[in-house]
Amino acid sequence: EVQLVESGGGLVKPGGSLRLSCAVSGFTFSSYSMNWVRQAPGKGLEWVSFISSSSSYIYYADSMKGRFTISRDNAKNSLYLQMNSLRDEDTAVYYCARDLLSGAGLFDFWGRGTLVTVSS
Amino acid sequence: QLVLTQSPSASASLGASVKLTCTLSSGHSSYVIAWHQQQPEKGPRYLMKLNSDGSHSKGDGIPDRFSGSSSGAERYLTISSLQSEDEADYYCQTWDTGIRVFGGGTKLTVL
Repeated sequence: EVQLVESGGGLVKPGGSLRLSCAVSGFTFSSYSMNWVRQAPGKGLEWVSFISSSSSYIYYADSMKGRFTISRDNAKNSLYLQMNSLRDEDTAVYYCARDLLSGAGLFDFWGRGTLVTVSS
Repeated sequence: QLVLTQSPSASASLGASVKLTCTLSSGHSSYVIAWHQQQPEKGPRYLMKLNSDGSHSKGDGIPDRFSGSSSGAERYLTISSLQSEDEADYYCQTWDTGIRVFGGGTKLTVL
């Protein structure tokens, strides 16, 4: 069974940092590209970042460039998101999502999310 | 610019059918999309991949009541025999090199 489990969320002050993790199981992690997606309270889904299976390609949404860093450890079956210089508007549930194996940039499995609250 | 447009809300009666629409921006009518369902207080769930010719492949365990179709730049999700658990937000999603894009979502109410 495919599972993606996020962790690392919590309350952080504006300007602070947080590192999210996504532990995966049930599939060959090293074969799949992965993403982070977020959802602010009462809002829609917003793509955050992408990383290819071997970390060769990394992309960010414009509002996250320079502040967020995506990475992965294929030996540990884990995906990470380092978030720096956090702002109030970064408050959201953060999900990890797996890309389809076919190479299409569509997401076929999602985690349950971890809540990040940025507030003083 | 790659944009997906969805109506904010839709409603239909229990047992009836509903067709949700996702519209691709100009110049992107050939793009493949995905449909995702998000039930209240839950994470999203992948429903299907939908091609421009209307062919689609569904995720694991997705009931036959869910189907997809396409016409030009429009991508549709049809849910038949509506059940109470179908009340949810539905998002379309697509991609291009370097970006992934979501529509704004449609909140479906089952009456």
